[in-house]
Amino acid sequence: SQKIEQNSEALNIQEGKTATLTCNYTNYSPAYLQWYRQDPGRGPVFLLLIRENEKEKRKERLKVTFDTTLKQSLFHITASQPADSATYLCALGAAGGGNKLTFGTGTQLKVEL
Amino acid sequence: GAVVSQHPSRVICKSGTSVKIECRSLDFQATTMFWYRQFPKQSLMLMATSNEGSKATYEQGVEKDKFLINHASLTLSTLTVTSAHPEDSSFYICSASPGQGNTDTQYFGPGTRLTVL
Repeated sequence: SQKIEQNSEALNIQEGKTATLTCNYTNYSPAYLQWYRQDPGRGPVFLLLIRENEKEKRKERLKVTFDTTLKQSLFHITASQPADSATYLCALGAAGGGNKLTFGTGTQLKVEL
Repeated sequence: GAVVSQHPSRVICKSGTSVKIECRSLDFQATTMFWYRQFPKQSLMLMATSNEGSKATYEQGVEKDKFLINHASLTLSTLTVTSAHPEDSSFYICSASPGQGNTDTQYFGPGTRLTVL
């Protein structure tokens, strides 16, 4: 069965460092992968989309990589700030899937002063 | 742009009653809307996909007679939880997709916290 794994343990890092979150998947051939931020009691907020034929995407302090051989995506936040503290979700979409997304369980990031 | 609202944000009801949750795309037309459920510390689980003017497509294990979805216009979808029970208590989130060349993006609402007593 399809499985999407993200680190279940919270990631604690110091302000200014680079946070790296991992998303691994099995039994899936996604056409694209997305990363979302979710704050407690709120809906997810779209951050980045990367397609299967793309290796890397950047947006300001964010960078996403996508390795379809390893079946893995890495999400980086450089120069992290306490305001970046949230849960980050990866979501996979299939070609011809009608925009349906399958979400991972998310990783909680805490950026400390 | 691309704002999605949900109403109510929080609702508490008695067991056996029905609850309606509205999802609106405020500044774009949504050809497709999605309804998710999220239990504490778990991921979003897709419940159903609705396209304007047609019946919703439900995911396996989701009872269509219990979770009624109506997508009456390109800016409004409603989810009605019928005969709610305590196990239906959850965080319900909708999302809307503009389609028309921007088919990969979903914009999420702020969620509705349902508590069934």
